[in-house]
Amino acid sequence: GNSVTQMEGPVTLSEEAFLTINCTYTATGYPSLFWYVQYPGEGLQLLLKATKADDKGSNKGFEATYRKETTSFHLEKGSVQVSDSAVYFCAGAAGNKLTFGGGTRVLVKP
Amino acid sequence: GAGVSQSPSNKVTEKGKDVELRCDPISGHTALYWYRQSLGQGLEFLIYFQGNSAPDKSGLPSDRFSAERTGGSVSTLTIQRTQQEDSAVYLCASSFRDRGNTIYFGEGSWLTVV
Repeated sequence: GNSVTQMEGPVTLSEEAFLTINCTYTATGYPSLFWYVQYPGEGLQLLLKATKADDKGSNKGFEATYRKETTSFHLEKGSVQVSDSAVYFCAGAAGNKLTFGGGTRVLVKP
Repeated sequence: GAGVSQSPSNKVTEKGKDVELRCDPISGHTALYWYRQSLGQGLEFLIYFQGNSAPDKSGLPSDRFSAERTGGSVSTLTIQRTQQEDSAVYLCASSFRDRGNTIYFGEGSWLTVV
């Protein structure tokens, strides 16, 4: 079946540091890939997505590239802010449902 | 409203009682999903509706859980004889269709079984 694996948190880093959250997927075929973010006390929001190999999704300074050869969709941001503190979920859509990774909690300290 | 609407936003119920959670998807969206997020856990798929097709119920954890979608729009998730382990946030989401289209989530219904 389809599955998504992402690095476990929590990830704690200082403001302006570089952030990477690894995500890999297994699926039949080539799913669409997403990163969702959940800020404290809020609902899930789509952060970015990529629908085919080599696509790069980007939003709010975050980027992720759909790598078919490594079945990965790692999330990166070059300089994080305190306001980026949240839980980040990687997800893949293939067939009938969106499959989520376990989430990675990120805490950015001033 | 423009987004996915869920009600109630918070529900505290006694063990053994039945609860109903409602979801109003974004107008025109044919796909509707229910997920569950337990405290500190990831998102667990429960059920998926797509248009008039038979729903994918493969994620429902037990026969105490059921869901229906009337008229291809509003959906109700019902939990019978609630147990404490049912305590979680129940998230509804919708999209125009699956595979590649953005899936929009509601704020969730926080269920606490005491």
